[in-house]
Amino acid sequence: GAVVSQHPSWVICKSGTSVKIECRSLDFQATTMFWYRQFPKQSLMLMATSNEGSKATYEQGVEKDKFLINHASLTLSTLTVTSAHPEDSSFYICSAKSGWGQGYGYTFGSGTRLTVV
Amino acid sequence: DQQVKQNSPSLSVQEGRISILNCDYTNSMFDYFLWYKKYPAEGPTFLISISSIKDKNEDGRFTVFLNKSAKHLSLHIVPSQPGDSAVYFCAASPDYTGTASKLTFGTGTRLQVTL
Repeated sequence: GAVVSQHPSWVICKSGTSVKIECRSLDFQATTMFWYRQFPKQSLMLMATSNEGSKATYEQGVEKDKFLINHASLTLSTLTVTSAHPEDSSFYICSAKSGWGQGYGYTFGSGTRLTVV
Repeated sequence: DQQVKQNSPSLSVQEGRISILNCDYTNSMFDYFLWYKKYPAEGPTFLISISSIKDKNEDGRFTVFLNKSAKHLSLHIVPSQPGDSAVYFCAASPDYTGTASKLTFGTGTRLQVTL
């Protein structure tokens, strides 16, 4: 089936630094990828929709300048958390839609746990 | 505005019995519904889906029921096994054909299957 690889699986960074998370579709081309954020014991909240070759579409309340999304190719989207603060500590998950396979083709990465100290 | 809700944050069921997880939605544009199982620090794993043209879909121990008029769906797991213990999310989408169709997730229900 379709595979989405997310890296790193966990990262610890200091306040004020930036962290980049990568999301790759391994066996299909993804013109659109999605970035979610999950706080402990809460739902997966969509942050933004990443579009290949164009600007990302952010959900209401998500800071565009803090969460930079780049979708430079059909198989790679990156999320950069800039000037990270402890409140940015969370679990970030990417997803892509292959258009085939189970679950209408929605495939999720394994997630990245970000801890800002 | 929580468009997809799971009113039971947790559920405990004895092994071998039926687990019933419920989900309600408010957006009438949703036509496709999915259930995911999720462990901490992992991505969601797809379980089963259903489109609005159906009222039931079955796959092994998992059955999803959809009541479109009530905007309600449920996931039945029979028989429940200890390995089913996890957090379950329902999700909805208005259009499954488009690659830009985004999913809206419910709030999750933590299922614990006891021996």
